[in-house]
Amino acid sequence: SQQGEEDPQALSIQEGENATMNCSYKTSINNLQWYRQNSGRGLVHLILIRSNEREKHSGRLRVTLDTSKKSSSLLITASRAADTASYFCATVSEYGNKLVFGAGTILRVKS
Amino acid sequence: EAQVTQNPRYLITVTGKKLTVTCSQNMNHEYMSWYRQDPGLGLRQIYYSMNVEVTDKGDVPEGYKVSRKEKRNFPLILESPSPNQTSLYFCASSLIPRRETQYFGPGTRLLVL
Repeated sequence: SQQGEEDPQALSIQEGENATMNCSYKTSINNLQWYRQNSGRGLVHLILIRSNEREKHSGRLRVTLDTSKKSSSLLITASRAADTASYFCATVSEYGNKLVFGAGTILRVKS
Repeated sequence: EAQVTQNPRYLITVTGKKLTVTCSQNMNHEYMSWYRQDPGLGLRQIYYSMNVEVTDKGDVPEGYKVSRKEKRNFPLILESPSPNQTSLYFCASSLIPRRETQYFGPGTRLLVL
C-alpha cells in the first residue's frame, strides 16, 4: 500500500525557476525521505527529515514537514536542466522499518 | 567505492523459467530490500531482510523468494516467472532504516514473455 502521495504528478518549468513538489501521507512517521531518479536508473537519496524536524536544507533543496497535516514539500530553487528527473517521497512509519514510496512527481526543466 | 550491485541489468525470459537476480552490497549494511517499480505505482517493496537469516514479506511478495545467507548478498528468486512480473527491480541496503537512508542498486529490467 502506498503511504506517500506526490502532487503534482508532472511539472514542467523553465530553467532558473523554482520547483515545488508536495507529498502527503497517512500514518504517523519516524522520518520522511526524498529521492531522485533519473530515467530508468537507481534512486539517489536527497534529504531525510525526521518527525521532530520542520525544515531542512541541502544546497538548492529545501524540505519542509508538517506532521499535523501529514504533508511535506520539496522545493528546488534556481532549477537546472540537470534537475529533470522523477522525485519520490518515502516514509518510515513511527514503529516500523519499511520504507514506503509514493508514485512520484516527474519534473522537466526546459533550457 | 560504496555501492549496491545487481546482476543481470537486463533480462528477457519466458514464463515458467526459474531465474535469480543477484544483489550485493559492500557497506556492511544489516538491512537489505527488494522493490519493483511499475508505471504510476512508484516503488513497492517485495521482501526485506533485517540481517542474516532474517527475512520478511513486503507489500507484494507473491511469486518471489529471497534468501540471506551472507550479510552482503540478498538474491531475488522467481521460481516460475509470469508476464505480470515484468518490471524494473531495485535492490537497496542501509543501516537501521528508521534512521538511515537507503542506497539503491542500478536496477534490473525484466521482461517475461
